[in-house]
Amino acid sequence: GQQLNQSPQSMFIQEGEDVSMNCTSSSIFNTWLWYKQDPGEGPVLLIALYKAGELTSNGRLTAQFGITRKDSFLNISASIPSDVGIYFCAGHNNNDMRFGAGTRLTVKP
Amino acid sequence: DTGVSQDPRHKITKRGQNVTFRCDPISEHNRLYWYRQTLGQGPEFLTYFQNEAQLEKSRLLSDRFSAERPKGSFSTLEIQRTEQGDSAMYLCASGRWGIQETQYFGPGTRLLVL
Repeated sequence: GQQLNQSPQSMFIQEGEDVSMNCTSSSIFNTWLWYKQDPGEGPVLLIALYKAGELTSNGRLTAQFGITRKDSFLNISASIPSDVGIYFCAGHNNNDMRFGAGTRLTVKP
Repeated sequence: DTGVSQDPRHKITKRGQNVTFRCDPISEHNRLYWYRQTLGQGPEFLTYFQNEAQLEKSRLLSDRFSAERPKGSFSTLEIQRTEQGDSAMYLCASGRWGIQETQYFGPGTRLLVL
């Protein structure tokens, strides 16, 4: 099973609001990844983080690799309806990748 | 489209039957991973290949499961004597080994065992 604690499990927000979700681990990871998954599809990579303390943006998305290498967060600014989906964090070391259980995001127009 | 393709996208089978899934990774990627995902959970690692060599298998991968990557390109995942508990989404991901490795997922094969 998952060894990453991802929160919150679900969020219901109004279009235009900002969103924040995070992931913590008892283990250190060399890489943190954030994916989005739509129903019936595979996860799509949003942001990859490779260095502790790194802050990376991809459009309205911003993610940070925690200094302790045991956590990461993802922010979405000015949410839009197409942001709906399940967001997964993943910690990666060499051949080992572990996923959180996901944050289900609902955006009300 | 990530460039990783999987076939079939959906499979319905009866308990006890064998099923085989195929994954075609991004061509320049030397690593290929298989994951299983059940409803409400993130993907769980099953096994991975570097080129044609299968380097690691999860304890989730029972004896009824076998994976191959004969020429270091596409891979197949076979489940023999399927059980209802095998119903899940089976995801394939590919990546290039080295610094800053990232995994790109295919669309998945959803298996339903009746």
